[in-house]
Amino acid sequence: QKEVEQDPGPLSVPEGAIVSLNCTYSNSAFQYFMWYRQYSRKGPELLMYTYSSGNKEDGRFTAQVDKSSKYISLFIRDSQPSDSATYLCAMIRQGAQKLVFGQGTRLTINP
Amino acid sequence: SQTIHQWPATLVQPVGSPLSLECTVEGTSNPNLYWYRQAAGRGLQLLFYSVGIGQISSEVPQNLSASRPQDRQFILSSKKLLLSDSGFYLCAWSEVGNTIYFGEGSWLTVV
Repeated sequence: QKEVEQDPGPLSVPEGAIVSLNCTYSNSAFQYFMWYRQYSRKGPELLMYTYSSGNKEDGRFTAQVDKSSKYISLFIRDSQPSDSATYLCAMIRQGAQKLVFGQGTRLTINP
Repeated sequence: SQTIHQWPATLVQPVGSPLSLECTVEGTSNPNLYWYRQAAGRGLQLLFYSVGIGQISSEVPQNLSASRPQDRQFILSSKKLLLSDSGFYLCAWSEVGNTIYFGEGSWLTVV
């Protein structure tokens, strides 16, 4: 079993829809949780960063962490064609040197 | 602010030829440095990471090596490339090990 599971998609939704991207994990020691966005042929860019459980909002993006269920989510409101990209979740234990990444979900927003 | 530079952006190399990819980070001291590979349609694979000059940890036995000759310089090398070395190579850095920032990547095609 992988430490982090992420549905690779692809996921295709109409412009303006609410998008929900999810990851599950098995290691309860993970404390820091991240979402990266990767456009085609580009390096991943950090989108959201949260510590422990709870919600964090940044514009149209909301990250949720549920440590009791070992489940994290990224919500995109009012989705735009420019949101079309691959989204990767990542997480790390306190004091660790290496992130553990999900496989990435490929998202397409159709105009 | 911190920046990361990675080059070359694209290269096509024959089988059996050597490889050198370079990465430098500006605006920080003693960062953790990472080399990842991303095969087409697949997730990120950590190849090497370094917590200091001359300190290299290898994650996957393979045809590649890494070196850190200076605090903010990280080099990925191969003496003889294989077809299977083709892929998207990403350098990344972190300050405290709880999130990382990626460069723009290098596309390598071995022919």
